[in-house]
Amino acid sequence: EVQLVGSGGGLVQPGGSLRLSCAASGFTLSDHYMDWVRQAPGKGLEWVGRTRNKANSYTTEYAASVKGRFTVSRDDSKNSLCLQMNSLKTEDTAVYYCARVATVVTHGLDSWGQGTLVTVSS
Amino acid sequence: DIQLTQSPSFLSASVGDRVTITCRASQGISSYLAWYQQKPGKAPKFLIYAASTLQSGVPSRFSGSGSGTEFTLTISSLQPEDFATYYCQQLQNYPITFGQGTRLEIK
Repeated sequence: EVQLVGSGGGLVQPGGSLRLSCAASGFTLSDHYMDWVRQAPGKGLEWVGRTRNKANSYTTEYAASVKGRFTVSRDDSKNSLCLQMNSLKTEDTAVYYCARVATVVTHGLDSWGQGTLVTVSS
Repeated sequence: DIQLTQSPSFLSASVGDRVTITCRASQGISSYLAWYQQKPGKAPKFLIYAASTLQSGVPSRFSGSGSGTEFTLTISSLQPEDFATYYCQQLQNYPITFGQGTRLEIK
């Protein structure tokens, strides 16, 4: 069974940093692209960023709203995905989901973690 | 960026009703569209990919259609467990984008 378990959320001050983790199990992480998606309180889904798989050199893509501040990384040997968030703003407050990209990349996100809440506030 | 506009944003319906949600893209995206269902406090669930193909395990009362710029998600006979928020997502270009969501509530 595919499982994604996110962790690392919490309260952080504006300008601060936080590192989210996502533990993957039940599949071969190195075969898949992986995404982060966030959802601000009471709002819709916003795609944050992507790391491609080993075959595609682990390259990354980001939403404009986080580019230069957030970094997606992965350690396939530890079955883990990370989102390093720097220079946090109040508008980054959201539940952050890690998600597995389907084998056919253009199909969508076929498995999701439970989400971890990040609150940016002074 | 490709914008996705869902209509309606809010829909009130009864068990047994047939409902249709529309997703319009600001430019052509071929069939690179997915649909998700989200219930309060839960992660989204993957329903449909390539505009019209049901993910394994999704009930056959769900169907998707469309290509280019206009897409629809139809639920043929609403069940109590279908009351949720639905999102479309385009996977044609980066940045990947979602529609604003359609909240489906019980009448």
